[in-house]
Amino acid sequence: QSVPTQPPSSSASPGESARLTCTLPSDINVAHYNIYWYQQKPGSPPRFLLYYYSDSDKGQGSGVPSRFSGSKDASGNAGILVISGLQSEDEADYYCMIWPSDAWVFGGGTKLTVL
Amino acid sequence: QVQLVESGGGVVQPGRSLRLSCAASGFTFNSHGMHWVRQAPGKGLEWVAVLSYDGTHKFYADSVKGRFTISRDNSKNTLYLQMNNLRAEDTAIYYCAKDILAYTSSTGPDYWGQGTLVTVSS
Repeated sequence: QSVPTQPPSSSASPGESARLTCTLPSDINVAHYNIYWYQQKPGSPPRFLLYYYSDSDKGQGSGVPSRFSGSKDASGNAGILVISGLQSEDEADYYCMIWPSDAWVFGGGTKLTVL
Repeated sequence: QVQLVESGGGVVQPGRSLRLSCAASGFTFNSHGMHWVRQAPGKGLEWVAVLSYDGTHKFYADSVKGRFTISRDNSKNTLYLQMNNLRAEDTAIYYCAKDILAYTSSTGPDYWGQGTLVTVSS
């Protein structure tokens, strides 16, 4: 099963923007896939943030602020999660998820530290 | 509001079986696909299985295929995961979660339960 790659860690300061990447294996084209994003804080289940296919086909989780947004980087074959106006409460693990073929697959997750 | 409550976890010896349950409320259960996702201690999320709203489509991760079976009872608003021939590497918190969209074979999950811990150890 094709596993997306996420950097293990990332950091940014409050008020800045964080850009988290989810790079797909070279045998699958990000243009053809929904990218799902989840946030998980210690001791809690994951929280659905959003999914992104295109600017005209995307969806936000219930109660998720608009400062969480998705996009794609075609040249890097990657899904992107952007968190603008970072707050201390955004410090968490972030996972992407895709459906490459007959199974869902999570990326390894990125631990975001808000400095 | 959507509620998903897992149960059935515990300590079990390698090679034995366990059945997890997930009681759902707050949404039309028989309209949504349902997932099981697990998380080993200190590790990332691993998707396990999904079952379509009507039970006709089932998909599994390679790591559990042939050992785990996902099922549902729409009359009881309950999802199940039968786990056979358990291994130490199956030790994890098991979450159930509902599909975002209704009446599809599978979409990603949105709402999640709090999870139930399964420990496989002799």
